[in-house]
Amino acid sequence: QKEVEQDPGPLSVPEGAIVSLNCTYSNSAFQYFMWYRQYSRKGPELLMYTYSSGNKEDGRFTAQVDKSSKYISLFIRDSQPSDSATYLCAMSMGGSYIPTFGRGTSLIVHP
Amino acid sequence: DGGITQSPKYLFRKEGQNVTLSCEQNLNHDAMYWYRQDPGQGLRLIYYSQIVNDFQKGDIAEGYSVSREKKESFPLTVTSAQKNPTAFYLCASSDMQGNADTQYFGPGTRLTVL
Repeated sequence: QKEVEQDPGPLSVPEGAIVSLNCTYSNSAFQYFMWYRQYSRKGPELLMYTYSSGNKEDGRFTAQVDKSSKYISLFIRDSQPSDSATYLCAMSMGGSYIPTFGRGTSLIVHP
Repeated sequence: DGGITQSPKYLFRKEGQNVTLSCEQNLNHDAMYWYRQDPGQGLRLIYYSQIVNDFQKGDIAEGYSVSREKKESFPLTVTSAQKNPTAFYLCASSDMQGNADTQYFGPGTRLTVL
């Protein structure tokens, strides 16, 4: 079992839909949870990070962490074609440990 | 403008050649990392360095070498011993001051073996 599992997709949705992207993990020591967006042939861009459980909102993006279920989510409201990208989750124990990345979910938002 | 630069954007290598990928950061970050990304395989860690003049092997270090002579620079050499070097290479850095271990990535170098 991999430490971080992420469905590769692709996930195809119509413009304006609410998108839910998810990761599960097995290491209960993870404390910090990150989401990256990667456009084709570009480097990943940090979208958000959260500490421990709870929600964090930034514009159309909401990150949610459920440590009891070892499950994290990224919600995108009012999705746009420009949101089409691969979304990678990452998590770490904190304190200069190297984060563990999921393989990424490919999202396609069609007009 | 603070950030991470990688050069070149595209690189072509002949069989048996060593090539060096450049990575520079002006974020004053202590730690730097090299990843390889292949389709469907996610990010795989090649080498990382948390302090100047020191570096550690990652999960797939065979056939690669690095140096860290300056805080801002972490070049990666892909040697002829790397049997399948065609991939997208990403450099990243982190400040190690907070606890989040968040990494910031460069734009990447696409290496193709001819």
